[in-house]
Amino acid sequence: KAGVTQTPRYLIKTRGQQVTLSCSPISGHRSVSWYQQTPGQGLQFLFEYFSETQRNKGNFPGRFSGRQFSNSRSEMNVSTLELGDSALYLCASSLAYHGGELFFGEGSRLTVL
Amino acid sequence: DAKTTQPNSMESNEEEPVHLPCNHSTISGTDYIHWYRQLPSQGPEYVIHGLTSNVNNRMASLAIAEDRKSSTLILHRATLRDAAVYYCILYDMRFGAGTRLTVKP
Repeated sequence: KAGVTQTPRYLIKTRGQQVTLSCSPISGHRSVSWYQQTPGQGLQFLFEYFSETQRNKGNFPGRFSGRQFSNSRSEMNVSTLELGDSALYLCASSLAYHGGELFFGEGSRLTVL
Repeated sequence: DAKTTQPNSMESNEEEPVHLPCNHSTISGTDYIHWYRQLPSQGPEYVIHGLTSNVNNRMASLAIAEDRKSSTLILHRATLRDAAVYYCILYDMRFGAGTRLTVKP
């Protein structure tokens, strides 16, 4: 059974650009959550999607957005990139919404120059 | 939002037991307590979860206080591969800074 797949694994952008990250959950999983991990702030919750609807959202500015497709794949977008957006972005999938066991991908490492 | 409190770091000697504490004084009656760990350069992985009773699996044991306001993850014999950041989280799956466990040979 394939795990959670995140693409791209690494990317470099410049300030002001935008970026889209993709997450393919484990087959059968309908919930996808996104997290930002930085050395200073630890693992911060961004948002959770279930059945194509955003069910929960963390305390991030509106520049961070996401969506989920009918096949449960999810994308997150960050617009007008800032230096502070440099981080490891982790995606996790689970069978259940809100509290089910999370299975994490390896993450997408974004560097903003 | 539910909130958990963990020590920033702990140390252990190899092959000794480790008790990792977590406080969750605002837990509600239906919240499960989840533990995850993150090994270096990897995404977090599930360790164990429980509701009221103590739980055991092949990785660890979870001891839950009678009032459920705290819990303890127990690694019975720490190995060098257990060196990781351990997170205790509740229903909202919001991770804090966790506890960085160092295992000394």
